[in-house]
Amino acid sequence: GAGVSQSPSNKVTEKGKDVELRCDPISGHTALYWYRQSLGQGLEFLIYFQGNSAPDKSGLPSDRFSAERTGGSVSTLTIQRTQQEDSAVYLCASRSTRQGYTGELFFGEGSRLTVL
Amino acid sequence: GENVEQHPSTLSVQEGDSAVIKCTYSDSASNYFPWYKQELGKRPQLIIDIRSNVGEKKDQRIAVTLNKTAKHFSLHITETQPEDSAVYFCAASMGGGYNKLIFGAGTRLAVHP
Repeated sequence: GAGVSQSPSNKVTEKGKDVELRCDPISGHTALYWYRQSLGQGLEFLIYFQGNSAPDKSGLPSDRFSAERTGGSVSTLTIQRTQQEDSAVYLCASRSTRQGYTGELFFGEGSRLTVL
Repeated sequence: GENVEQHPSTLSVQEGDSAVIKCTYSDSASNYFPWYKQELGKRPQLIIDIRSNVGEKKDQRIAVTLNKTAKHFSLHITETQPEDSAVYFCAASMGGGYNKLIFGAGTRLAVHP
């Protein structure tokens, strides 16, 4: 596709349930990021994937959060046993790492998660 | 630790005035400093970036300055227009390269006609 695609765009769940959020990066982009944006707040780094390297998971807030990236493309962010404080917009971004790349992150529209 | 501080959190200016947003970073290895603009309900988009081998960069009404010694960088918007109203985020790469990008908390800029 032309841009970063995320699904679902909106997810309402009950406290304690598991959720999966999906990110489809721009074709050919080997770097992929997940950020969390709570209402009116900044962009909180969660995790970063680069090619076949081990992901940088240093931003994941607890062991209830995990992410994987299959085949170097699509990524899934999983939140287990959701809590109300997990409510936020989860933004995915991808970046090209080709020769002459600019470092620009291309963001998706985000997945808005509401935990009741 | 890996931290980017951004000030002010809100900024209100009259159309035509200048706006300045400042950021400081903690990692001395940081070498890439982008600025993103996020309009209400939209995704963040890159507006300008600067690398550590450059002290200043301009793009029309927008300029960014970098002081590596002091570990701070600033965004300057001149001749502000109502369409400049948005949340602006600074960011810094951690550990060199473009890899891990840490964002500041954002500045909500309001430009009044």
